[in-house]
Amino acid sequence: DSGVTQTPKHLITATGQRVTLRCSPRSGDLSVYWYQQSLDQGLQFLIHYYNGEERAKGNILERFSAQQFPDLHSELNLSSLELGDSALYFCASSSSGGAYRNEQFFGPGTRLTVL
Amino acid sequence: GEDVEQSLFLSVREGDSSVINCTYTDSSSTYLYWYKQEPGAGLQLLTYIFSNMDMKQDQRLTVLLNKKDKHLSLRIADTQTGDSAIYFCAEGVNNAGNMLTFGGGTRLMVKP
Repeated sequence: DSGVTQTPKHLITATGQRVTLRCSPRSGDLSVYWYQQSLDQGLQFLIHYYNGEERAKGNILERFSAQQFPDLHSELNLSSLELGDSALYFCASSSSGGAYRNEQFFGPGTRLTVL
Repeated sequence: GEDVEQSLFLSVREGDSSVINCTYTDSSSTYLYWYKQEPGAGLQLLTYIFSNMDMKQDQRLTVLLNKKDKHLSLRIADTQTGDSAIYFCAEGVNNAGNMLTFGGGTRLMVKP
């Protein structure tokens, strides 16, 4: 158990809908990262938050957004869902906000299926 | 640009050593990581190596880094059936906003 929790575990929804994925980092970790894992794209970095502020963006679509709250949990919002958004979404946390040694601990993931 | 590559599949017999290879392209990588993903689970951090090191050993795991060739390997000694999983290498780049760039993963199958 990494100490990172994600809810829900599974999510099935229809195209055009909007969903929210939730992540609670390990106790004391200030950084939260979101990744998308799909068969064709592999594991792709989406976005990084540190202590409530956005630090870096990766291959995140404009239809997707995230935020980190004062209690450090984070939410990833996916809207206007398309079939291709079906994937595993992972959250990871780390104590580091800086560039050096950045061990990230992953949650169990949310499996999103868009029908 | 950043690109991390791994072979797709490796099959070994129980008790043998497994060697999983990875190549990366970004010479400014500071840390390189190995993660393990079991079916239906998240990624578990196994070990990491700092880019100024050549080797790191951690129990049954040995990481070798050839910085000149940008080649990283993970050796698992005395491989067990419980080691069957997908193994990902990842590079952390000093100036890239702390994101990790992952390889496509190597599926390790351990036969009894």
